[in-house]
Parts: sequence; structure tokens; C-alpha cells
Amino acid sequence: GENVEQHPSTLSVQEGDSAVIKCTYSDSASNYFPWYKQELGKRPQLIIDIRSNVGEKKDQRIAVTLNKTAKHFSLHITETQPEDSAVYFCAASWYAAGNKLTFGGGTRVLVKP
Amino acid sequence: SAVISQKPSRDICQRGTSLTIQCQVDSQVTMMFWYRQQPGQSLTLIATANQGSEATYESGFVIDKFPISRPNLTFSTLTVSNMSPEDSSIYLCSVFGAAGVTGELFFGEGSRLTVL
Repeated sequence: GENVEQHPSTLSVQEGDSAVIKCTYSDSASNYFPWYKQELGKRPQLIIDIRSNVGEKKDQRIAVTLNKTAKHFSLHITETQPEDSAVYFCAASWYAAGNKLTFGGGTRVLVKP
Repeated sequence: SAVISQKPSRDICQRGTSLTIQCQVDSQVTMMFWYRQQPGQSLTLIATANQGSEATYESGFVIDKFPISRPNLTFSTLTVSNMSPEDSSIYLCSVFGAAGVTGELFFGEGSRLTVL
């Protein structure tokens, strides 16, 4: 089955700086890569996703890049703000596996004011 | 999108007992997923519940421990049987937003179980 590794497990950044979280996946058939944000005590929520037919996607301060050859994808948050403090999960899936998501271990991001 | 309601939101349980978690979705969906999130950990898929068929369990999870029902296209239950402190976790129900088969995965608010 799919295995998703995520690094780092914790990340502390100064407000206004950028944050980068990296994930690698094992199954070359995976073709959908979402990122979820989970604030303390809340449910995970999708913040951005990318499919295998594109290499990069951007939405305001967040962007995701995908390298299918190397089987890794990254989340970039620019101009970080205190409300970006949360746990972020990457995930991977593919259609023939019922689209079920395999999640990475998570990254706890702390943005210091 | 999908609106998912879970009950109970939290409970404290005694070792050896069982607890059933309910999940109600505001639209008909083909698949419903049950995840477990142990304290400070990631999300681990327990099983996929399809209406009209047996649930499909992931490696490490068995039906005797986590029986699942899926009586219709908007409802599912997960039972945590013969609980031990290691079962203390948040259990999350989730569905796909696009016709229940693909797209964004939406989560319920979770059921936080503490086993003493």
C-alpha cells in the first residue's frame, strides 16, 4: 500500500517568514495530493490540493509543488501569520484504490509573533 | 460540500466496555470512511463503509474490534469493542464531497474517546 513520509514534524517560524513542509510517497500510481490543516481541537480541513497532471498550484499565500519523478511534493506558506499555527497533513491517493487517502505524519507549525 | 454530524462528541469509557459512534451526512454518499487519530498523531484509516456490503478494513484493524454498520446512504456507525486505554483516540467519520466518490474529503468533528 501507499506510504507517505512528512518532514519536519515540527516547524517554528517567525511571523512574516516562509514555511516549507515536504512529503514523499511510495506508490507511483498515486495521482492526487491534498494538504489538510488541523487547528487545535478542530477537524482537518482541506487547504489546497494538486493532481499529477500539474507541477505547481498556488492559492494566495499557499502553494504546492509536485515532482512525480522523485515522488515528492511540498507545501509552501509565505508571509506566515499567527493564524497559520496548526498541524498540517499531506496525503496521497489514487483512483483505482478507491481514492482513499493515506496521510503523512503531520507537521506542527508554530508562527511566533 | 458535505455536512457531517457525529455523536457522541466525547465520552469517557470504562475498560472492557463497547461504544458506538454515529455518523450522519446531509447528502447521499457512496463511501464513508472511518479514521482514528491517536493523541498527537496522524490520521489512520480504519475502514471504508459501503452501503449494502461489508466494510473494507485496513491492515491492523478487524471487524470484531471495530464493527461497522451502513444501513443507508447517509448514515454509518462504528463500534469500538472491548475497549482498552490504547483505544483512547479521536474517531473521525469522513466522506468525499463530490457525489461521495471523489474530490475533497470532509470530516466530522470527531468523537473523542477516553478509556480508563
